Amino acid sequence: NAGVTQTPKFQVLKTGQSMTLQCAQDMNHEYMSWYRQDPGMGLRLIHYSVGAGITDQGEVPNGYNVSRSTTEDFPLRLLSAAPSQTSVYFCASSYNGMNTEAFFGQGTRLTVV
Amino acid sequence: GIQVEQSPPDLILQEGANSTLRCNFSDSVNNLQWFHQNPWGQLINLFYIPSGTKQNGRLSATTVATERYSLLYISSSQTTDSGVYFCAVTYNTDKLIFGTGTRLQVFP
Repeated sequence: NAGVTQTPKFQVLKTGQSMTLQCAQDMNHEYMSWYRQDPGMGLRLIHYSVGAGITDQGEVPNGYNVSRSTTEDFPLRLLSAAPSQTSVYFCASSYNGMNTEAFFGQGTRLTVV
Repeated sequence: GIQVEQSPPDLILQEGANSTLRCNFSDSVNNLQWFHQNPWGQLINLFYIPSGTKQNGRLSATTVATERYSLLYISSSQTTDSGVYFCAVTYNTDKLIFGTGTRLQVFP
């Protein structure tokens, strides 16, 4: 049972580079979301999706883009990386909105130099 | 927006001790979940508990929604319980909002 799978696990970018963090789930969950975790600040919501073709902004969306073309995948794009985006990124999914049990991927540790 | 506060921020225990972690929230919530983040960074869902009491082995949780708090009890703590414990809530939206966590260290 794969659950929620994130790739890569670690990444170093130079300022201004772009990249995509991948997230896939095999539980047929409608709801998927991206969080970032910074020291002392808990997890903050970046973007979320309630189903294929639907996305919305969370608490800290600036500098990030998302799309949801399939139920299984929810990639997070950094168009022009900045040092302030150095963080650990988590993808989560749940069956039907965040009023049901949430499952998290193992995280991606991103460093922007 | 809703505020989610956890206490204590840090907790150090000897193996075998019991502990209580608290989560206070500033508004009515639809959902409350407790997570454990282990030292390797993985987030594990412990309880989905919008109200009432649940138990799972040495862990139990109680949410009193009308008084806007939830408690996580850890009995007979083990070194594998170390990590950070988060509560997270939703309120009238699809956004899961996290508290800042309680860091627990259990020593043999």
